[in-house]
Amino acid sequence: ELKVEQNPLFLSMQEGKNYTIYCNYSTTSDRLYWYRQDPGKSLESLFVLLSNGAVKQEGRLMASLDTKARLSTLHITAAVHDLSATYFCAVDNYGGSQGNLIFGKGTKLSVKP
Amino acid sequence: DAGVTQSPTHLIKTRGQQVTLRCSPISGHKSVSWYQQVLGQGPQFIFQYYEKEERGRGNFPDRFSARQFPNYSSELNVNALLLGDSALYLCASSYRSGTEAFFGQGTRLTVV
Repeated sequence: ELKVEQNPLFLSMQEGKNYTIYCNYSTTSDRLYWYRQDPGKSLESLFVLLSNGAVKQEGRLMASLDTKARLSTLHITAAVHDLSATYFCAVDNYGGSQGNLIFGKGTKLSVKP
Repeated sequence: DAGVTQSPTHLIKTRGQQVTLRCSPISGHKSVSWYQQVLGQGPQFIFQYYEKEERGRGNFPDRFSARQFPNYSSELNVNALLLGDSALYLCASSYRSGTEAFFGQGTRLTVV
């Protein structure tokens, strides 16, 4: 059974600081997604990582994927208040129903002035 | 282009009632998946449909059912509602199984 673990689950940062969110998964998968969710809203796609060593950057966020270690990271550079949200990683569940996603519990990020 | 649209956006039901949620995928997308997100948790997979056939089912009771229509829109039905069914129900569409999923705005179901 595929399991996805994120840490930390809660993250309080000061503006201008850097930090990394980690996403570990338990079985082989070469497709990983990062989503952002604002309170009461749906999921906004941030990154799609499709191969080992993939790195993608958008603004102050950078995501990477190491399929051998079954690890993805979401790095936040010089955080600003607008980045406050909950971030989810999700992995394609090839071993189960193909095409469905297994999500982590999410990391609630709060950026304070 | 319209994204994934879900209706209604909010719904309040009484325990024991039945509810139907609707989803229209992005034009050209043939796969629709349903997820339940309880407050404070990540979304959990309920069903996936592709080309009008069920391709996957998560660990949910038989009170949950779904179908996909010839135009690829989908309905999720929940019978005999329980308080624990209160959640945000998300629909995701993708071109086919295993490709990037795009989520609708969700239906917030409250069972009282």
